[in-house]
Parts: sequence; C-alpha cells; structure tokens
Amino acid sequence: QSVLTQPPSVSAAPGQKVTISCSGSSSNIENNYVSWYQQLPGTAPKLLIYDNDKRPSGIPDRFSGSKSGTSATLGITGLQTGDEADYYCGTWDSSLSAGVFGGGTKLTVL
Amino acid sequence: EVQLVESGGGLVKPGGSLRLSCAASGFTFSSHSMIWVRQAPGKGLEWVAFISRRSNYIFYADSVKGRFTISRDNAKNSLYLQVNSLRAEDTAVYYCARVMGVRENFDYWGQGTLITVSS
Repeated sequence: QSVLTQPPSVSAAPGQKVTISCSGSSSNIENNYVSWYQQLPGTAPKLLIYDNDKRPSGIPDRFSGSKSGTSATLGITGLQTGDEADYYCGTWDSSLSAGVFGGGTKLTVL
Repeated sequence: EVQLVESGGGLVKPGGSLRLSCAASGFTFSSHSMIWVRQAPGKGLEWVAFISRRSNYIFYADSVKGRFTISRDNAKNSLYLQVNSLRAEDTAVYYCARVMGVRENFDYWGQGTLITVSS
C-alpha cells in the first residue's frame, strides 16, 4: 500500500489528453514539492516534472504538472504511442522523514 | 554527461549481505545529495535511502532501517549501499539517483543493479 495514491491505469487515443492524479496528505504532498517520473519498459525512471510544475530541459511542453492541497496532477496532451509507460509521482513525507512514491499508473495509448 | 553506474548486485541467500556501489561522473558529486530507490519485479518504485552532500543527513525507509546503510565517498565520486540481513522481499533492481534541489526531485538515474535473494 503506497503512501501516495495513483490510479493503476489510464488510457486515451493518440492525439488526445490524459491526466494522472496523485493523492496524498498534509504530511507529504501539501507541504512538499511533487515530482513526476516516466518509466518506459525495461528502462530507468526519467524525471518529467519537478517542484510541482517545472519541466527539466528537453521535456516537451506536452507534459505539465500541477498541485492543489493534498493532490497533484500530471497532464499529457497530444498523446503519442511513445508515451506508453508507467508514470510515478513522488515527494517527501515529513511524518515519515522519508521519500515516498505513488504506486504508479500505466498509460496505454489506444 | 552525467553518468551513474551501479554495481554489486547478485544472487544471495536469505540473511546474506551485499555492498552496492554507484560510480558517478560528469558532475560535481560532492554538490548533490543522493538516494537509492528499488523496484521489485513487476512492482512500483520504492524509495530506500537518502544521504546529503556531506553525509550529515541520512534517512531510511522503515522497511530497511537497521539493515541497510547508505554512505558516500566524495573523493571517489561514489555512493554505496550496504545491505545486510537480506530477505526475499528485498529482491529488486536497485537504482541510485541524483537529488536535484533539497530532497524531492531526482534528475539522473543509473541503469540499476539486481539483487536476488533466494535459497
């Protein structure tokens, strides 16, 4: 059972938009920065979003992040088949004094 | 180019020990905190341990506290994870990653090293 809750799977058609939610609490998301990671099959995770809504250089603006209260959201527009991957949210939990990840969401581009 | 290369994984019996290493290059290692993250086969990411730039702040997941020890040698640009009293549930790919910012963002990851705990 992960501290952060993500839907196990989402799907959408190529070119469409999808959002992935990440729900937490006041000890983690509400009072700490959230990051998002993309993990393509058989590869290491890759940072997509940091500090809630910032994109590292090289990440297209099709990817966006937002946070409100105890929840965060990853948005992906203009879906491509190459976006099929597992997506994870992460943050710090001040009560645990440890980092935490969501359980991951598998994105299928139909 | 930033590179993180893990090594030291392998097959170990329950109760056994291993020392994982992560060799860093392409950046000023001593300027960044580092973490270990693991991923059991077919499962999600699990944060394992954090070490600050000068090793003065160290944190562990409850699942490994007392059994795993994170350390670093800034002179050797290397990060380590000593894993003791291994259990079947510790079977996973172990990734090292560079911390960007204070503690929440991980901008570069290694390719991982697999620990398999089995008799």
